[in-house]
Amino acid sequence: EIVLSQSPATLSLSPGETATLSCRASQSVGTFLTWYQKRPGQAPRLLIFGASNRATGVPARFSGSGSGTDFTLTISSLEPEDFALYYCQQRRNWPLTFGGGTNVEIK
Amino acid sequence: QVQLVESGGGLVEPGAPLRLSCEASGFTFSDYHMTWMRQAPGKGLEWLSYITARSSQTEYADSVQGRFTISRDDAKKSLYLQMNSLRVEDTAVYYCARDLMARGFDIWGRGTMVTVSS
Repeated sequence: EIVLSQSPATLSLSPGETATLSCRASQSVGTFLTWYQKRPGQAPRLLIFGASNRATGVPARFSGSGSGTDFTLTISSLEPEDFALYYCQQRRNWPLTFGGGTNVEIK
Repeated sequence: QVQLVESGGGLVEPGAPLRLSCEASGFTFSDYHMTWMRQAPGKGLEWLSYITARSSQTEYADSVQGRFTISRDDAKKSLYLQMNSLRVEDTAVYYCARDLMARGFDIWGRGTMVTVSS
């Protein structure tokens, strides 16, 4: 099973700042890496697929990068609605796995 | 409007069965692979099971292999998760999602809560 480790667990930032979230895989997943946003009480939302492709309707302030084992989700100029949990997920091997999440909270 | 709506959650005792449903609308359900996931209280997302369009292939997480069964009825535009031998640790919000494989899970339901407790 591919283990995904997300860091930091919590990121405390102010609106307008840039968030940099990390996801590290225990073995290479190529670019089969997806990012999701999860707000309390809401369904998860697809943000980035293929490591760096924004999903339909996702604002340009969200960007993804990386390949192999190290990936980054960057949220530039944080908006109030961006404070949420973020999860990475790999599609390289079964079973599919998620990282433990990064909580982006308001400082 | 493209949407998925889960149902069937509730409170059950350990060892009991439960069947979750996920009804699709706004898209050609039969054309898409589908997936179940869950989120336990205070925990992260966990992938559970996958079924291809036409039901030719299924996959399961180790945590539910042999206890849970995924299925679909394309005529009813519905996805199912039959859960047997439920455990306290199966307590979670269960989500169904449309699965675009490498392009991610693009449509999610709002979830249905399953509580396993005596």
